[in-house]
Amino acid sequence: DIVLTQSPDSLAVSLGERATINCKSSQSVFYSYHKKNYLAWYQQKPGQPPKLLIYWASTRASGVPDRFSGSGSGTDFTLTISTLQAEDVAVYYCQQYYTTPRPVTFGQGTRLEIK
Amino acid sequence: QVQLVQSGAEVRKPGASVKVSCKAFGYTFTGYYIHWVRQAPGQGLEWMGWINPNNGATAYEQKFQGRVTMTRDTSISTAYMELSSLRSDDTAVYYCARAPAILTYYFDYWGQGALVTVSS
Repeated sequence: DIVLTQSPDSLAVSLGERATINCKSSQSVFYSYHKKNYLAWYQQKPGQPPKLLIYWASTRASGVPDRFSGSGSGTDFTLTISTLQAEDVAVYYCQQYYTTPRPVTFGQGTRLEIK
Repeated sequence: QVQLVQSGAEVRKPGASVKVSCKAFGYTFTGYYIHWVRQAPGQGLEWMGWINPNNGATAYEQKFQGRVTMTRDTSISTAYMELSSLRSDDTAVYYCARAPAILTYYFDYWGQGALVTVSS
């Protein structure tokens, strides 16, 4: 199975500052035939299901503010929040879907708080 | 609009089974795979498997093979996940989630979750 390792495990950032979360995959999730990275990012707030933020490593999901961006390729990926808002406090997960039909795997999560 | 509405919280004893439902609204149920993901208290996300509502085909994470069964009833646009031989470490919130395209297994819509508590 592909293992996704996120860093850091937790992060405290001041309002208005940049937050960066990393996700490293144990093997490449770039599918050369489709020229796509099979990686997504989710935001989960307490008591809520995860919410899709980014798919194909860098495509923002519908309705997601443009302060959220995804980058990277192959085995190393980054989620960036350009100017942190109070409502961005949450746990963030990366997920690979390269190894379909199974299994899908998630990173362990990164908790983002306000400094 | 697209919605996945799950059944409510359940309490079961060790060794029992539980069946969680996930009813789809706002889209063609048979056109999108439904996946199941669970989250133990304070822990991360764990993928369990998927069902193709069009033909009932399934794929399960190896860890759950033999204990999980995913089914669907297309007449009521509902998917089900049944987990048997429950243990205390099966206590978790169980989510259903929709994958937006065939062989594209990120999840664009999620159910609200169903808490399953396993306790004697």
